Amino acid sequence: AQSVTQLGSHVSVSEGALVLLRCNYSSSVPPYLFWYVQYPNQGLQLLLKYTTGATLVKGINGFEAEFKKSETSFHLTKPSAHMSDAAEYFCAVSLPNNAGNMLTFGGGTRLMVKP
Amino acid sequence: DSGVTQTPKHLITATGQRVTLRCSPRSGDLSVYWYQQSLDQGLQFLIQYYNGEERAKGNILERFSAQQFPDLHSELNLSSLELGDSALYFCASSSMQGGNTIYFGEGSWLTVV
Repeated sequence: AQSVTQLGSHVSVSEGALVLLRCNYSSSVPPYLFWYVQYPNQGLQLLLKYTTGATLVKGINGFEAEFKKSETSFHLTKPSAHMSDAAEYFCAVSLPNNAGNMLTFGGGTRLMVKP
Repeated sequence: DSGVTQTPKHLITATGQRVTLRCSPRSGDLSVYWYQQSLDQGLQFLIQYYNGEERAKGNILERFSAQQFPDLHSELNLSSLELGDSALYFCASSSMQGGNTIYFGEGSWLTVV
């Protein structure tokens, strides 16, 4: 079975500072990896995903993530935080060829951006 | 707008009651998923249907059931409700290929009092 660990349930950064949200996974095979964002009172929106190919993945709103197999990590970064980035971020995995394409989520990281 | 529609958006009901949550997937998506989001359990996968058939089951209680209809909409039935069932219930949809994006609706807030 696969699992996801997000280090830090709350992360606070200043506007303009680097955003780094950490995600480590456990899986018997290289998984597909996803980052979703949830704004208050809204559903989950896909930021980016890694399936195969280039390990550095660029997503929406200036976010990117790098798949590091040796470290079983898929950390999310953004060079310069905006106030509008304040939200909860979820890392998720699914297994290739898994019959359900089911996502297993981490516990989430709430990002706060200070002016 | 993800294209996944869920109704109702909010629901308050008493313990012991039964409710039905409804989901319309994105146009063309054959696969529907249900997730529960609560403060103590986080985001938990409940169940998945593909083209009307159950495909995968997660941490779904026996009091809960779901189905997907020929027009591909899905319903999640929650019965004998308990206070602990209060949560945000998400529906999501995707096409079947592995790695394809799963699109989430805005959720149905269930409060059991």
